[in-house]
Amino acid sequence: QVQLVQSGAEVKKPGSSVKVSCKASGGTFSSYTISWVRQAPGQGLEWMGRIIPILGIANYAQKFQGRVTITADKSTSTAYMELSSLRSEDTAVYYCAREKMATIDYWGQGTLVTVSS
Amino acid sequence: QSALTQPASVSGSPGQSITISCTGTSSDVGSYNLVSWYQQHPGKAPKLMIYEVSKRPSGVSNRFSGSKSGNTASLTISGLQAEDEADYYCCSYAGSSHVVFGGGTKLTVL
Repeated sequence: QVQLVQSGAEVKKPGSSVKVSCKASGGTFSSYTISWVRQAPGQGLEWMGRIIPILGIANYAQKFQGRVTITADKSTSTAYMELSSLRSEDTAVYYCAREKMATIDYWGQGTLVTVSS
Repeated sequence: QSALTQPASVSGSPGQSITISCTGTSSDVGSYNLVSWYQQHPGKAPKLMIYEVSKRPSGVSNRFSGSKSGNTASLTISGLQAEDEADYYCCSYAGSSHVVFGGGTKLTVL
């Protein structure tokens, strides 16, 4: 049984950065693809990007190109999502998820990031 | 990539069937049999209901079914139950290791 456990809620100032972690257990981390999906309050799901830990290759949605960095540490089975130049519109719950060809079978519990001055 | 298009809301009475559409383009839904559907209750993480257009994960009721025609995928829920009331999202592979979600549909069971 795969489990994805994310880091806790964050409050950030506009213009700063946030880094959310996602620790995986069960299965073989290196063989996963980990995607990051966010959900602003009252809004829908939005795919941000993904990484294949065994390759260390990340792909990003065009909307977030240049502002998001997704990395993975195979030694600790942990993926990270860092979002920079934060603005109020980035206030959202951020999910990590195990994804394969647009099928997401396991989700983290979500991390609320609040951007406020 | 633009979000896939879903109706904002649908409703039905217990026991009835409803269908939620998900319209994309020839670059995503139309090109790949890689459409999935998620159910999300308030305050919860999404749950996989359908993958690869029409496959059901273990444990998901057979009242849920999926299909696709051209650039439009559909989720049908038969024998509606009160517990089906939730938000539903479609998702498609969009090529070049990219994924795109629909805007979501709120299902109300009357």
